[in-house]
Amino acid sequence: GAGVSQSPSNKVTEKGKDVELRCDPISGHTALYWYRQSLGQGLEFLIYFQGNSAPDKSGLPSDRFSAERTGGSVSTLTIQRTQQEDSAVYLCASSSPYRGQETQYFGPGTRLLVL
Amino acid sequence: AQKITQTQPGMFVQEKEAVTLDCTYDTSDPSYGLFWYKQPSSGEMIFLIYQGSYDQQNATEGRYSLNFQKARKSANLVISASQLGDSAMYFCAMRGLIDDKIIFGKGTRLHILP
Repeated sequence: GAGVSQSPSNKVTEKGKDVELRCDPISGHTALYWYRQSLGQGLEFLIYFQGNSAPDKSGLPSDRFSAERTGGSVSTLTIQRTQQEDSAVYLCASSSPYRGQETQYFGPGTRLLVL
Repeated sequence: AQKITQTQPGMFVQEKEAVTLDCTYDTSDPSYGLFWYKQPSSGEMIFLIYQGSYDQQNATEGRYSLNFQKARKSANLVISASQLGDSAMYFCAMRGLIDDKIIFGKGTRLHILP
């Protein structure tokens, strides 16, 4: 597709269950980001992948959160043993590797609700 | 560590007036880029404008301009002739040359009044 896609668009889960959120970046974009946005709040940085470099995981809030990026393309964000405070919109973005073209293109987000 | 600060949680502006949204930043990176995004109630993130730290001129895109004052570490967004459709959340963001992840401020909610 032409843009960043995310799935599922909505996810309702029970406290304690694991969830996987998927992101398909724009083809050719080597940078991929995950952010979390709670209702009415700003974007909280979670993790950043750039090419084959080790990911910047400095924003992951706890060890229940992990992410991987297979083949430099699709990324999966996994939240284990979900808690109610994990409820938020999870946004994925990708950007070009070229200087001057770092504009991020965002996916529509996955709205996660933990009951 | 990099930091973005947006001090205006909300603003109300009369339609057709110009509006300035404040953004200050902090970084030790010698080179960096600054971004502004708009997020309407639909939730999508819309890129508005980009300013590189070594750009000689302030960036402009249609009704949007970025008032970049490097010495003050500020990158305010100016929207001229505001429209009702400008009502949205606005986020300032930055990326460094060394610390090259993109981080966002907490945003400013702009309300345009008819």
